[in-house]
Amino acid sequence: QQQVRQSPQSLTVWEGETAILNCSYENSAFDYFPWYQQFPGEGPALLISILSVSDKKEDGRFTIFFNKREKKLSLHIADSQPGDSATYFCAAGGRGGNYKPTFGKGTSLVVHP
Amino acid sequence: GGIITQTPKFLIGQEGQKLTLKCQQNFNHDTMYWYRQDSGKGLRLIYYSITENDLQKGDLSEGYDASREKKSSFSLTVTSAQKNEMAVFLCASSMDWGVQNTLYFGAGTRLSVL
Repeated sequence: QQQVRQSPQSLTVWEGETAILNCSYENSAFDYFPWYQQFPGEGPALLISILSVSDKKEDGRFTIFFNKREKKLSLHIADSQPGDSATYFCAAGGRGGNYKPTFGKGTSLVVHP
Repeated sequence: GGIITQTPKFLIGQEGQKLTLKCQQNFNHDTMYWYRQDSGKGLRLIYYSITENDLQKGDLSEGYDASREKKSSFSLTVTSAQKNEMAVFLCASSMDWGVQNTLYFGAGTRLSVL
């Protein structure tokens, strides 16, 4: 059972556009949602995260929108740059026995200049 | 700052061979993880260790063993390499076991089995 789903699997945008990456989850006990960014040949690194008590989190050009009722969230990358080309993983965790970090399959983003 | 060091960076093995991957962290973190990354399948948890001397199976533990030799090091053993297997094994650490902990990843060990 896949607990965290991401779409699309791959996404291509032009420089300056807003890229939208989607994520959904199954477990209502999840309450922490980090997004990790991975460049080829490197390990993933934390980009931005949100707690389920919030519906929006901004950090520069990166914004997470969170809908607890629908168990969905999205990462918006405004003014996309070629340097944003990477794979983005949505992850989820909860408290106690649900803490174990669970990752989606990732979205591969390509930003064309 | 700190760093996660994984060795070797590349590992080529033979079918049936026992292979060991090593991971060191200098964050002084309590918790360490091993993930497997396959193309199109995301990151799947193999083993994790909440504190030194602890060992827990993840979702993909069959065919693997792990060892937390000391707080800073966590090893993974492929007990019998499968022919044509190709994957990246990622080691990570976090301050402790709990919500909102950031995972810090190493650059990975790339495994190919002939």
